[in-house]
Amino acid sequence: SQQGEEDPQALSIQEGENATMNCSYKTSINNLQWYRQNSGRGLVHLILIRSNEREKHSGRLRVTLDTSKKSSSLLITASRAADTASYFCATDGKGSGNTGKLIFGQGTTLQVKP
Amino acid sequence: DVKVTQSSRYLVKRTGEKVFLECVQDMDHENMFWYRQDPGLGLRLIYFSYDVKMKEKGDIPEGYSVSREKKERFSLILESASTNQTSRYLCASSSPRVSNQPQHFGDGTRLSIL
Repeated sequence: SQQGEEDPQALSIQEGENATMNCSYKTSINNLQWYRQNSGRGLVHLILIRSNEREKHSGRLRVTLDTSKKSSSLLITASRAADTASYFCATDGKGSGNTGKLIFGQGTTLQVKP
Repeated sequence: DVKVTQSSRYLVKRTGEKVFLECVQDMDHENMFWYRQDPGLGLRLIYFSYDVKMKEKGDIPEGYSVSREKKERFSLILESASTNQTSRYLCASSSPRVSNQPQHFGDGTRLSIL
């Protein structure tokens, strides 16, 4: 079953602009993660936010989490052409234990034009 | 750095063939996962394994089986390939010993069933 739904499905911006992607999920979570996928490659882990955190920063990335709305957003500031990729949110479930099982959203495809 | 290696980047097989997709990780991770990725559907979990010889069904196990005889290797088997199994297959690994267990992905195998 698909836990996460991402919005928008596709986003096209100019270099230097900010990009915001949103993710909604359905069940209680321990944490929410964001991954990036370059064309033809596997996913790469970007950042994780725990359920008791509201905001987290890593370089040009800012993630927010609203557990009351079961939603998260990923903001990429001052985007670069190299940020062109697909971005996925992933959630665990409170019962996932040590299996590390994640449920991925459908992804947002970001195009940054030089 | 964790390295997850998938045996083939591209593979073409015929309907009815038995197909093996191999995945090897070099970081002694306990957990390994097989996903398929289709446009508009994101990543869907086929099977996962949290220990040698242990396996659990994911969301879409029908038509697939897996084998985990050694900790570093997780094989996905299509018993009798069908055209609806044409997809991109991604392998990932993680460890409960690593905080919050980010998943590490291989670059994927694009499988075409003719």
